Amino acid sequence: SQKIEQNSEALNIQEGKTATLTCNYTNYSPAYLQWYRQDPGRGPVFLLLIRENEKEKRKERLKVTFDTTLKQSLFHITASQPADSATYLCALETGANNLFFGTGTRLTVIP
Amino acid sequence: GAVVSQHPSRVICKSGTSVKIECRSLDFQATTMFWYRQFPKQSLMLMATSNEGSKATYEQGVEKDKFLINHASLTLSTLTVTSAHPEDSSFYICSAPGAGRTDSPLHFGNGTRLTVT
Repeated sequence: SQKIEQNSEALNIQEGKTATLTCNYTNYSPAYLQWYRQDPGRGPVFLLLIRENEKEKRKERLKVTFDTTLKQSLFHITASQPADSATYLCALETGANNLFFGTGTRLTVIP
Repeated sequence: GAVVSQHPSRVICKSGTSVKIECRSLDFQATTMFWYRQFPKQSLMLMATSNEGSKATYEQGVEKDKFLINHASLTLSTLTVTSAHPEDSSFYICSAPGAGRTDSPLHFGNGTRLTVT
């Protein structure tokens, strides 16, 4: 069965720095991978999708990379702000619109 | 943008009673909706896929007679937790894919915090 590991349960960084979150997966070769943001007590919100034939995707201060050889995706937030504090989830596709979620990394940006 | 509304946001019920959770797509049609459960500090676990006009598909280990799903229209799916017990206390979240593509992002409701006493 698929397994996803997100680098750490919690990550603290100083405001203005770049946050890098890691998502490693095994036992699967997804056609695409998605990243979501989840705030406490709320549902996840979609951020970015990256396909297996794409190396990198950007959206404003966000950047995602996808290395299918390493079976790894990196999620970067540049010029981080306290408002970026949240849990970030990576999710692998496992079929049409079906996603398998990682446990998430709780990011805290310290002012 | 696509909005999914989930109701109620919180519910407390007594052991043995049933609770119904509604999930509505407000500005788009959803032939498929997904129901997840999330325990503290854990990821979303898919419970079932709700299909409009047909039976839901349940994930392994999820009791279909306990978690009743009805998807009677293109904008509404309901999850009923029957004979709830304290171990059913969790955060239940629904989602629906954006229209048209199999790789569409999922639009999530804001979840329902169920506490069974």
